[in-house]
Amino acid sequence: GESVGLHLPTLSVQEGDNSIINCAYSNSASDYFIWYKQESGKGPQFIIDIRSNMDKRQGQRVTVLLNKTVKHLSLQIAATQPGDSAVYFCAENISKAAGNKLTFGGGTRVLVKP
Amino acid sequence: SQTIHQWPATLVQPVGSPLSLECTVEGTSNPNLYWYRQAAGRGLQLLFYSVGIGQISSEVPQNLSASRPQDRQFILSSKKLLLSDSGFYLCAWSVRDLDTDTQYFGPGTRLTVL
Repeated sequence: GESVGLHLPTLSVQEGDNSIINCAYSNSASDYFIWYKQESGKGPQFIIDIRSNMDKRQGQRVTVLLNKTVKHLSLQIAATQPGDSAVYFCAENISKAAGNKLTFGGGTRVLVKP
Repeated sequence: SQTIHQWPATLVQPVGSPLSLECTVEGTSNPNLYWYRQAAGRGLQLLFYSVGIGQISSEVPQNLSASRPQDRQFILSSKKLLLSDSGFYLCAWSVRDLDTDTQYFGPGTRLTVL
């Protein structure tokens, strides 16, 4: 089975509110994590990444938090907009492992209500 | 800047027919290349990855095969398609030999086997 999973398959959020998407991982050796956004009919788009030597990283309207103690990853989206409606995937890997393979979670669908 | 192309964008094929999907990457050399399949409403399943010309690693047993005839070209093939081969096929690339493991995805090919 997959070593990365998500708590909530669907998240409905009001436009303008903040969104929080959660992800659990089971491989304690993983040291690199990525969040992707996938809009309907398109390929996943890189949002933000974080390495295990950090516990927080911020981008434009997005923040990724990493809690290595409980092997938990989250993506926070500030002031959610209609364009944020998509499926969000977390992914993990072990740096420099053969092929740089990523293990993906099952995805969370975010629906933004106007 | 780097770009990744996939074609065709959509494909409808009868059961038992052959398949050839192509992926090319521009703007980078010596990338790692990946083929994923995504069933409707599901996560990403890694099918194959390649760390160099002629080097293919298979992740799951199936009736698909992959080839890398050139540095920036990755091809997914089948001699006889099954109904279960329907899905969204995604190609991705990552940089080798650098301290980053991010994978970047192409636009995908929607395959329907009837």
